Amino acid sequence: DGGITQSPKYLFRKEGQNVTLSCEQNLNHDAMYWYRQDPGQGLRLIYYSQIVNDFQKGDIAEGYSVSREKKESFPLTVTSAQKNPTAFYLCASSIWENTEAFFGQGTRLTVV
Amino acid sequence: AQKITQTQPGMFVQEKEAVTLDCTYDTSDQSYGLFWYKQPSSGEMIFLIYQGSYDEQNATEGRYSLNFQKARKSANLVISASQLGDSAMYFCAMSPDSNAGGTSYGKLTFGQGTILTVHP
Repeated sequence: DGGITQSPKYLFRKEGQNVTLSCEQNLNHDAMYWYRQDPGQGLRLIYYSQIVNDFQKGDIAEGYSVSREKKESFPLTVTSAQKNPTAFYLCASSIWENTEAFFGQGTRLTVV
Repeated sequence: AQKITQTQPGMFVQEKEAVTLDCTYDTSDQSYGLFWYKQPSSGEMIFLIYQGSYDEQNATEGRYSLNFQKARKSANLVISASQLGDSAMYFCAMSPDSNAGGTSYGKLTFGQGTILTVHP
């Protein structure tokens, strides 16, 4: 089945450590996105990528980094510079000019 | 900049009745897209319905319809014949107009969401 896979579903890290969240898609979509969701809030865009080897900052990119070396993969690194990393992270993809984005199941990151 | 406002933190509806979830938006773009997503307690985001800013007719998808009033900048979601499985968080979102040609429908601005509870 085609879709977006995020792993792991739950992730725990100690404060001060970098952590990388995985996102893989087999939908052959050009564009991929990372969103952050805090409890009771809507999603906010962290980074997005339209094509391989290119990505742009979203609204809340500080403390995060991404790479797009393959069309299928768009990993997100939460660095120690991110002040409040505990959140639910959702990856999405879309055909750049299509009508909707498809989302993964999300990764719930807890930093203690 | 784009902004989405959902003023109903929570809504309750009886099973089999219709319910309207409110959404207003603000943008200076001439062309944009409006979306509704459903988020069950499991966390995934499920696409429900889409309305283009130049579409003259309101979008419909099964039990979902989008009441689009461009002059009032509103894009309310109507769910007819509510089911217990409709209980979830609902998000209104919009996409920008891309200067590069075409619109990126994945680069979304979301509202705060409305929690819908369907009672039997």
